[in-house]
Order: sequence, then structure tokens, then C-alpha cells
Amino acid sequence: GAGVSQTPSNKVTEKGKYVELRCDPISGHTALYWYRQSLGQGPEFLIYFQGTGAADDSGLPNDRFFAVRPEGSVSTLKIQRTERGDSAVYLCASSLTRRLAGGPNTGELFFGEGSRLTVL
Amino acid sequence: AQSVAQPEDQVNVAEGNPLTVKCTYSVSGNPYLFWYVQYPNRGLQFLLKYITGDNLVKGSYGFEAEFNKSQTSFHLKKPSALVSDSALYFCAVRDKRGSTLGRLYFGRGTQLTVWP
Repeated sequence: GAGVSQTPSNKVTEKGKYVELRCDPISGHTALYWYRQSLGQGPEFLIYFQGTGAADDSGLPNDRFFAVRPEGSVSTLKIQRTERGDSAVYLCASSLTRRLAGGPNTGELFFGEGSRLTVL
Repeated sequence: AQSVAQPEDQVNVAEGNPLTVKCTYSVSGNPYLFWYVQYPNRGLQFLLKYITGDNLVKGSYGFEAEFNKSQTSFHLKKPSALVSDSALYFCAVRDKRGSTLGRLYFGRGTQLTVWP
């Protein structure tokens, strides 16, 4: 597709339930990111994939959160035993990977429109 | 520690006037710096970035930003604001330290309102 696609766009669930959020990145983008955005806040980093592997998962708040990207394309963010505090917009982004002299990725992130999660 | 700060929650400007949205950062060295815009109920859109080279970078929709190393700032500017520029603006920084090479840190955002 032309852009990053996230499904569902809206998810309402009850406390304690399991939730999966899906991200389909731009074709050819090797890097994939998950962020969480609460009202009035900037996006908060959760996890970053380079290919199939999680290059940095230190932003996941606890072990109820898990993400996979088994074939290096689509990614799924999984939340177990949801809590009301998990309510937020979950953003996915992808980017090409370009580096200067082995440094960090210089590529900009392209974001999807997000999945709004509401835990009742 | 906060890596990027946007000191103003809101900026209001009249259409046709110049606008500035401020951003300062606190990572060491020369980080990679980005600006994004978010319209209501939409995803973040990339505006511009500073990686290396000329300190003044130009981006989408007539926006530009200047990297100032001595002031650790990367303010977003536009010479003449449009009502359609009204949106939420985020500054972001990518650290060059080894453990967080890929991570992009975002500020809290600045709501820009341009009135007719």
C-alpha cells in the first residue's frame, strides 16, 4: 500500500481482556516502530524492529506487552490482561534504514493513523 | 531525562505573520532532529529533518528549521502563516548513543493556531 496501515482503527475492550493491534508498514521499509500516545502527550516509544528482530524493546512498559514481526513486514502488538491505563492511541511507523558511517538510522518515520484503544 | 523540550504548549499567530515553534534538546553531540505535524484524528506527518551539513533545513509546506548547536535548539519557522497550518507540532530527536540508535524521542507537542 501507499502508506502505513493500522487495524483496527478503534478498539474498545474490557479490563483483563487480550488485545492485538496490527501494523502493515510501507513496502520495503526494514525498520518498524511502535509508539503510544496519550492525550496531551507526545508519542512514547515502545519497541523498534530492524527486520524480524526487536532491536530495542526497552520501551515496553511491562511483560503484558509483546510485539512480533515474524516475516520482517507486518507487525502485531499484543497486550495481555489489559488495564484502564493502557487506553491510548497506539501508533506504528516504518522507515527505510539509511546510515552515515555506521551511525543511527537517518531515515524519517512514516506513521499510520493509529489504533485507538479504550479499556473499560 | 527529557531529551527534547517544547517550552510552549500553545502558539497563536495571525495569518500572514511569521511563526516560530520552539524546540530544545539535551542529548550530547550532534543529534538527528526532526519535526512532525499532526492534524486532528490523523497520523503524524514528517515535515523536515536535520542530519548534517547546512544548519538551515527546508521542509514541506514552506516550513524551515535552524539547527543551533550552541543553544541546543531546532526551532521551526515559517515566514507567513496560513490558517491551514493550525495543527499540533512535534519536535523529535534521535540519539546517537549506542543502546538507543533507532529510537526517536518526541516532545510533548505545541498546538499552533493561526487565526484569519
